Amino acid sequence: SQELEQSPQSLIVQEGKNLTINCTSSKTLYGLYWYKQKYGEGLIFLMMLQKGGEEKSHEKITAKLDEKKQQSSLHITASQPSHAGIYLCGAVPNTGNQFYFGTGTSLTVIP
Amino acid sequence: EAQVTQNPRYLITVTGKKLTVTCSQNMNHEYMSWYRQDPGLGLRQIYYSMNVEVTDKGDVPEGYKVSRKEKRNFPLILESPSPNQTSLYFCASGGVGGPLHFGNGTRLTVT
Repeated sequence: SQELEQSPQSLIVQEGKNLTINCTSSKTLYGLYWYKQKYGEGLIFLMMLQKGGEEKSHEKITAKLDEKKQQSSLHITASQPSHAGIYLCGAVPNTGNQFYFGTGTSLTVIP
Repeated sequence: EAQVTQNPRYLITVTGKKLTVTCSQNMNHEYMSWYRQDPGLGLRQIYYSMNVEVTDKGDVPEGYKVSRKEKRNFPLILESPSPNQTSLYFCASGGVGGPLHFGNGTRLTVT
């Protein structure tokens, strides 16, 4: 099955620090999607990337997709306690219909 | 309001007692899917459906059934639940090429 490797598994940062989460696929992707989940709750859609080299930003969060469409990063600038949660990347491969997810990155922001 | 509605939010049952978790979406999405989320294993796809009367197995379909008789509904059926099906379940729906929209989750405990 399609695998998405996410790193790091967990991250503890001081408020105000920048951080990056990575997501790597073994196959070329049709689309790469970033989600945030509060513990035990539903997933909230953050951003979608579909073109090689694409970069999108929303408030202090920037997501990029590499030219080969196999690797993505999520960067948070000047982290705040409200950024805490689990970040998951999800993807649809170029071939196939299944929507896969990485295992998630747990982010803790210390005030 | 566009949403995916799952019910119930919490369910405690005993081994072997058939149960159904309902899922409904009001966005006219073709694609619907069920996931289970377990610590350390991330989100794993159980079944998905590309449209009415079209369903396919995901990565962990054993012990589950689904049906897609109407576009808006995609119930998950556990004919004979077992303790290893204790998990947090999510239903999701999506349009072609777009992100998945998630329900709030159903926490199932099988004793």
